[in-house]
Amino acid sequence: AQSVTQPDIHITVSEGASLELRCNYSYGATPYLFWYVQSPGQGLQLLLKYFSGDTLVQGIKGFEAEFKRSQSSFNLRKPSVHWSDAAEYFCAVNTGNQFYFGTGTSLTVIP
Amino acid sequence: EAGVTQFPSHSVIEKGQTVTLRCDPISGHDNLYWYRRVMGKEIKFLLHFVKESKQDESGMPNNRFLAERTGGTYSTLKVQPAELEDSGVYFCASSHLRGSTSTDTQYFGPGTRLTVL
Repeated sequence: AQSVTQPDIHITVSEGASLELRCNYSYGATPYLFWYVQSPGQGLQLLLKYFSGDTLVQGIKGFEAEFKRSQSSFNLRKPSVHWSDAAEYFCAVNTGNQFYFGTGTSLTVIP
Repeated sequence: EAGVTQFPSHSVIEKGQTVTLRCDPISGHDNLYWYRRVMGKEIKFLLHFVKESKQDESGMPNNRFLAERTGGTYSTLKVQPAELEDSGVYFCASSHLRGSTSTDTQYFGPGTRLTVL
């Protein structure tokens, strides 16, 4: 069965520090992978997506993610976190019929 | 371009009552999806419309949930009668690609937070 695991429920980082949010998926075929972010009161906003090709994908707001097939992972990274990055982050896989989401990682940024 | 909008943003009802949630997709988007997130859990797929037709409703929890998309524009999701376990955030999303939806980018609304007391 398809599934997405985000092992970190909550992460706290200092402003300016680097960030890595983990995502592991379980899917038998070629995965189409997404990262979304939800700020308070807002809808889910697409950060980046991976379909094929270069395994390192760049997204908006300075985020990037690396697809590692051998590890079934699609971790999200940012070299220097800004206070406005505080939000909830969701990893998802699209199987062609449905999106499967992880449980989300809540990010707190401290000054 | 206006994004996906949902109404209401919050709804508090008592068990046994009826609630109707509305979603207005991005203009021109044929695909419309409903999702639900129960507190602390993952966002789960409920159903998928292509225009006015239900393409996939395998995620609908039970027959207390009824989704419609008359005319292929906005959609409603009715819960009747509501139960405590229906509480959560209901998201709507839309996309415009036809054919394979694997590479669809879905655009999400802000969600409706439903609380059933």
